[in-house]
Amino acid sequence: SQQGEEDPQALSIQEGENATMNCSYKTSINNLQWYRQNSGRGLVHLILIRSNEREKHSGRLRVTLDTSKKSSSLLITASRAADTASYFCATDPQGAQKLVFGQGTRLTINP
Amino acid sequence: GAVVSQHPSRVICKSGTSVKIECRSLDFQATTMFWYRQFPKQSLMLMATSNEGSKATYEQGVEKDKFLINHASLTLSTLTVTSAHPEDSSFYICSASPRQGEKLFFGSGTQLSVL
Repeated sequence: SQQGEEDPQALSIQEGENATMNCSYKTSINNLQWYRQNSGRGLVHLILIRSNEREKHSGRLRVTLDTSKKSSSLLITASRAADTASYFCATDPQGAQKLVFGQGTRLTINP
Repeated sequence: GAVVSQHPSRVICKSGTSVKIECRSLDFQATTMFWYRQFPKQSLMLMATSNEGSKATYEQGVEKDKFLINHASLTLSTLTVTSAHPEDSSFYICSASPRQGEKLFFGSGTQLSVL
């Protein structure tokens, strides 16, 4: 079953703007991860944030985690057309031996 | 980084035939691999966890006899869709990790079309 809910389901912005995607989850977690998927391809890992971390950066990506609200956000700054993809959050629930994926956000960057 | 190879990338078959999909970890050993199914514009649904040397753990609602999983070595897991029917048409993706609980590396997926 899906644990994560993401919003928005779809986001379309102009190149150069920032894109923010949100993820909410239900149970306690060990870590939360963000993945990217280009159409018809496998997923690529972007960033992992542990439950005791609040913010993490990787290049143009910034991820925040609020365990009290059971939510996370992914910010992509200075977006590029090549950022067009679906983005998924995934949680590693405590006690579970698997990742549970959110519904995903389809991001479109318009040139 | 770690690489997971999945083959074939696309398969078209007749209804009633069986299809085997391979997932290999190329530069690390994986005692556990995961198989997902994805419908268009939807998220990944975990089908089963493949365990090297033991039986796979299937998610609720996934037919074990329909989706046979074999994890015979530390670098190879296979998913066989038996007696495939059109409703089995989907995108199947495998993943593995060098370390449990850390980031996953995904295969490139297999698009199965059953006629």
